Amino acid sequence: EDQVTQSPEALRLQEGESSSLNCSYTVSGLRGLFWYRQDPGKGPEFLFTLYSAGEEKEKERLKATLTKKESFLHITAPKPEDSATYLCAVLTFSNDYKLSFGAGTTVTVRA
Amino acid sequence: DSGVTQTPKHLITATGQRVTLRCSPRSGDLSVYWYQQSLDQGLQFLIQYYNGEERAKGNILERFSAQQFPDLHSELNLSSLELGDSALYFCASSVGGDLAYNEQFFGPGTRLTVL
Repeated sequence: EDQVTQSPEALRLQEGESSSLNCSYTVSGLRGLFWYRQDPGKGPEFLFTLYSAGEEKEKERLKATLTKKESFLHITAPKPEDSATYLCAVLTFSNDYKLSFGAGTTVTVRA
Repeated sequence: DSGVTQTPKHLITATGQRVTLRCSPRSGDLSVYWYQQSLDQGLQFLIQYYNGEERAKGNILERFSAQQFPDLHSELNLSSLELGDSALYFCASSVGGDLAYNEQFFGPGTRLTVL
């Protein structure tokens, strides 16, 4: 069975204190790994899609990387507005598509 | 604002009842996706429609059904409601139909409370 595990569950950072979030997965037939940001009470907002091991993508203070077993979301010099829950999702294909989400990491950045 | 609209914002109903949630995709988007988010199960993909046809199916219960109409809006029907169906229901849309290669834009969600 496909499994997607995010760690840590919660992360409290000081403004400017860089850190990383982890998304580990046990799946077969990976088609893509997605990162989303979600603010309380709102819908997720797409950040990145990664397709193969070794791939990296960047957007402002965020950088996502992918290996064969996990993905990292690095937050460099975070600001309070980076506070949110970050979700990863894994898309696989066997006989059909399957999209599985992790439970998320809630990041709080203090000024 | 993603451009995806969902109605109603909130819905309170009783067990055993049936409700319909509505979603209008962004202008030009042909795909609509439905998701359920609850505290215990997290975010779960339910179903995808592309240009009126079912494209992918996730963890959608048999009591739930969806359709996409010719004007591309979509409805999610939930019947024989149970307490455990209480959740936020999100709709998302994208231009194309391939889950892997199309950025999804999420709506603000419908909060369903089953009493």
